[in-house]
Amino acid sequence: AQTVTQSQPEMSVQEAETVTLSCTYDTSESDYYLFWYKQPPSRQMILVIRQEAYKQQNATENRFSVNFQKAAKSFSLKISDSQLGDAAMYFCAYNRRRALTTSGTYKYIFGTGTRLKVLA
Amino acid sequence: NAGVTQTPKFRVLKTGQSMTLLCAQDMNHEYMYWYRQDPGMGLRLIHYSVGEGTTAKGEVPDGYNVSRLKKQNFLLGLESAAPSQTSVYFCASRKGLAAERDTQYFGPGTRLTVL
Repeated sequence: AQTVTQSQPEMSVQEAETVTLSCTYDTSESDYYLFWYKQPPSRQMILVIRQEAYKQQNATENRFSVNFQKAAKSFSLKISDSQLGDAAMYFCAYNRRRALTTSGTYKYIFGTGTRLKVLA
Repeated sequence: NAGVTQTPKFRVLKTGQSMTLLCAQDMNHEYMYWYRQDPGMGLRLIHYSVGEGTTAKGEVPDGYNVSRLKKQNFLLGLESAAPSQTSVYFCASRKGLAAERDTQYFGPGTRLTVL
């Protein structure tokens, strides 16, 4: 069974600095997706960034980028120039990409989250 | 475009009471999901649906039932609420399985307390 592990329950970063959130996963699949979701105090889950496993290039979205190490099954999120609005829970998630009739394809596996504090 | 909406936002129940949470999406998505979020446990899948009229069990389905009578709505029911069902419930939807359709979009959540 697939698992997603976020080993940092809480992280802090100074405003304008860079922080990296860790995520590791376990799977025997070769084709899958990985996501980072942000959950601010409003509770709304917001997609931050997405990575397809078959792509070697790391995904980037403005100040957010990932370091995807497929062999090591690692998927870390780097936030550059941290802003106060980045303070939130961040969840790493995995989704298997397989044939259309495979029920497991529909399911996402989430990590337990990392709470990011941004210090002014 | 409202995206994914959930009703109600908050609810307090007594043990043994029943209630239904409503999830609605206006994006014509095929797949819909119900999760619960508890401290230190991330999101756990309760039930999901891959299309109108279909439902399937997730990780933690016991004590819950669901229905998807219309494509845009996914209902989560608690027949006899228990304190262990105190949680924040999230609904999500997803367009399809093709590469560009795999992203889930979440509703704002429902905070449920069972006394």
